[in-house]
Amino acid sequence: DAKTTQPPSMDCAEGRAANLPCNHSTISGNEYVYWYRQIHSQGPQYIIHGLKNNETNEMASLIITEDRKSSTLILPHATLRDTAVYYCIVRGPGGSQGNLIFGKGTKLSVKP
Amino acid sequence: GAVVSQHPSRVICKSGTSVKIECRSLDFQATTMFWYRQFPKQSLMLMATSNEGSKATYEQGVEKDKFLINHASLTLSTLTVTSAHPEDSSFYICSAGTGAREKLFFGSGTQLSVL
Repeated sequence: DAKTTQPPSMDCAEGRAANLPCNHSTISGNEYVYWYRQIHSQGPQYIIHGLKNNETNEMASLIITEDRKSSTLILPHATLRDTAVYYCIVRGPGGSQGNLIFGKGTKLSVKP
Repeated sequence: GAVVSQHPSRVICKSGTSVKIECRSLDFQATTMFWYRQFPKQSLMLMATSNEGSKATYEQGVEKDKFLINHASLTLSTLTVTSAHPEDSSFYICSAGTGAREKLFFGSGTQLSVL
């Protein structure tokens, strides 16, 4: 079973920041938080991942709380092309534990 | 970023036939590959994990004799759906990684329709 909880859907105005929350209260000390997104009928696209420090790349920022029980993915300036299902995933250290278990994700709709 | 190529993107077959789906890591060696299945409006469900040179590990409820997985090299894994039936119609997606704590990259998926 997925170890994360996300809101089923969110709306965001084009050009505004999209903040997608995720709860992972049972995360273990060696588990990373990964974010992927899936546009309809395509394979998931990697966005960002982190362990305990905040992370930023060209796509997004990841804010992880100090107790690591929740995180927020931030898309700083959402565009219509960011409309997708966003998955927050907790991933184990490797081998059979290294797979990604997908929950239901958050369907983000960016509106003009 | 790394690229995972999945082929074919779409296949239609008759009931009872077998279908092979290929997953290739184009610019890195993938020690582990994962196969997922996704039904309409649902999330991805892990089917099996394959490691190069060894037998695949299947998730509970996935028939290993029906979904044959071969990971013969560090850049290629194949999933063969044997004796396909309409209920096997689904979106199949592979992913590949280089090891622990690394990003997993996904193929573009294969839409299988069994008539």
